[in-house]
Formats: sequence, structure tokens, C-alpha cells
Amino acid sequence: AQSVTQLDSQVPVFEEAPVELRCNYSSSVSVYLFWYVQYPNQGLQLLLKYLSGSTLVKGINGFEAEFNKSQTSFHLRKPSVHISDTAEYFCAVSSLYTGTASKLTFGTGTRLQVTL
Amino acid sequence: DTEVTQTPKHLVMGMTNKKSLKCEQHMGHRAMYWYKQKAKKPPELMFVYSYEKLSINESVPSRFSPECPNSSLLNLHLHALQPEDSALYLCASSNRVPGELFFGEGSRLTVL
Repeated sequence: AQSVTQLDSQVPVFEEAPVELRCNYSSSVSVYLFWYVQYPNQGLQLLLKYLSGSTLVKGINGFEAEFNKSQTSFHLRKPSVHISDTAEYFCAVSSLYTGTASKLTFGTGTRLQVTL
Repeated sequence: DTEVTQTPKHLVMGMTNKKSLKCEQHMGHRAMYWYKQKAKKPPELMFVYSYEKLSINESVPSRFSPECPNSSLLNLHLHALQPEDSALYLCASSNRVPGELFFGEGSRLTVL
């Protein structure tokens, strides 16, 4: 079975500071990894994905993540955060892909709180 | 158009009521999903439709009944719900990119 672990439930950070949200995965086969963001009272939005190829993945809103197979990690980073980045961030792994449908397993989420 | 539209945004129902949640997408996606999300928790998969056929049912109680009338629409029929079923219900769709789901804003359900 595949799973992801988000090590921090909350990460407080000041505006314009860098941030790293940690995610470790467990899988015995090739993985597809994702970061989704959920702003208050909204659905989820895909930030970035790792399917194959380059281990450094760039996403929307200035976020990037690095796939590290030896450490089974997929940490999310941003060099300078903004107040508007305050949200819940979910790491996810796709444990099944049928050609159209994916079964995503989400981590427990990390609340990023950006303050002035 | 990259939107998934869910209605209603809010729903309050009694335990004996019958209601439905609706979801619509016009991106030509062939997979559609229902997720349930409790406060401060990650989304939990309920159902997946692929090419309008139910392909995954995560052992959801029969008081939740999904329906996919066509490739653009997904319904979730609710009957005899319990207060613990109160949650945010999220619809999503996807196409041929693994794990790339497009979510609606959700329907917040309260069961009294």
C-alpha cells in the first residue's frame, strides 16, 4: 500500500521568508506524487506534480518540490511567501491509475500560516 | 472552461429527508469523483466514475447513492443520513494526466 506522511501539522512563517513543507512517502512501486492547496472555504487546487523525469518540479504561485527517491521525500518549498499563501497544503500519492481515473491518497495536511 | 461546478453550496437536512448534490464539468473529462472532507482532515474518496461507469466504491454506506447521468454530470443522492455525515462534499474530475484532479468548491452539508 502507498501512503504519505506530512510531518508538520502547522507551519507559521513571516511574510517574505522562505518555507519548506515536508512530505515523506511510502511505496514499493513507482510513484506519482502531488501537492494540492486548499484555501479557506474552497476546493483543492493542484500546485505541482511529479510523474517522472527531472526531480525538481516547478508549480504554480512560485512553489517547487524536489523528489528524493533515496530519502523517500517530496518536500515543498517557496523562497519568499506572501500573506495570500496562507492555506492548507496536502501532499498526495496516486495509488492507482486506470488511464483516466486516479485514486489519490492524501496526507493529513499542513496548515501554512503567513503573518506580517 | 476549467471549472467544476457544485450545487448547492450549503445544504441543511433532517435525518429523514431525501436530497441530492449536483456536480457539473464541461472540460470533457471522463472520470468524476466524490470526496468527503471533515473539518481539519484530508479528503476521503467515496466514489469514482470512469466513462460513466462506477469504477471505485470505497465501501460507502448505502444511504449515499451516486449517479452519473452523462459524462458531464455527477449526482450524489442522500437519504436517511446521520449527523456524523455532516461534512464538505467535494466533486472532482480528471482526464488522462495521473493524479491531476480538478475540484469544485464543495457542498457543505449539515445533517440535523
